[in-house]
Amino acid sequence: LAKTTQPISMDSYEGQEVNITCSHNNIATNDYITWYQQFPSQGPRFIIQGYKTKVTNEVASLFIPADRKSSTLSLPRVSLSDTAVYYCLVGGANTGGFKTIFGAGTRLFVKA
Amino acid sequence: SAVISQKPSRDICQRGTSLTIQCQVDSQVTMMFWYRQQPGQSLTLIATANQGSEATYESGFVIDKFPISRPNLTFSTLTVSNMSPEDSSIYLCSVADRVGAEAFFGQGTRLTVV
Repeated sequence: LAKTTQPISMDSYEGQEVNITCSHNNIATNDYITWYQQFPSQGPRFIIQGYKTKVTNEVASLFIPADRKSSTLSLPRVSLSDTAVYYCLVGGANTGGFKTIFGAGTRLFVKA
Repeated sequence: SAVISQKPSRDICQRGTSLTIQCQVDSQVTMMFWYRQQPGQSLTLIATANQGSEATYESGFVIDKFPISRPNLTFSTLTVSNMSPEDSSIYLCSVADRVGAEAFFGQGTRLTVV
């Protein structure tokens, strides 16, 4: 499974856009890029997934450059309730199958 | 989406005893996984629970310590055997149904061994 590298922590203020970048230099051809969010005392929750270019849903956007060696999770206009740990994961059928392997994650602190 | 129910939600156990954690899913799923999460740390995959066959364990985890059952496509159990304080952690059940699909997680079982 491709190893991922993320910043350990980030601070932001309410209303700002937050961009969290994840490095995955060894990503394989069949790998997807998936982001999860985890609040204290809860299991992780799926945010968004992509393979290339840009993906957007009601919660976030995911930007993936052409070489796919990194990805950026963009959270528009964060609120205090977005304070959580965000995990970037890379994997697919040929690199672990269904398994979801978590890296260290990024702790986002949103301040008033 | 899948709704996962884990029981118990928390427990305090004596060292040397065993605890069985149950994971019930509201729909049939292909794969079920068990994770451990130490306070303030990321999730560590313990094993993949295979329906009708022995679980597949990750490096550092063995069947004697963490026996797993998967009798059908909606239910699995994880037993933490011969517990020590080092086993104090949150244990989470997760499910996924196909390649590339999102994984769903239970709320976790907070285990304290005294």
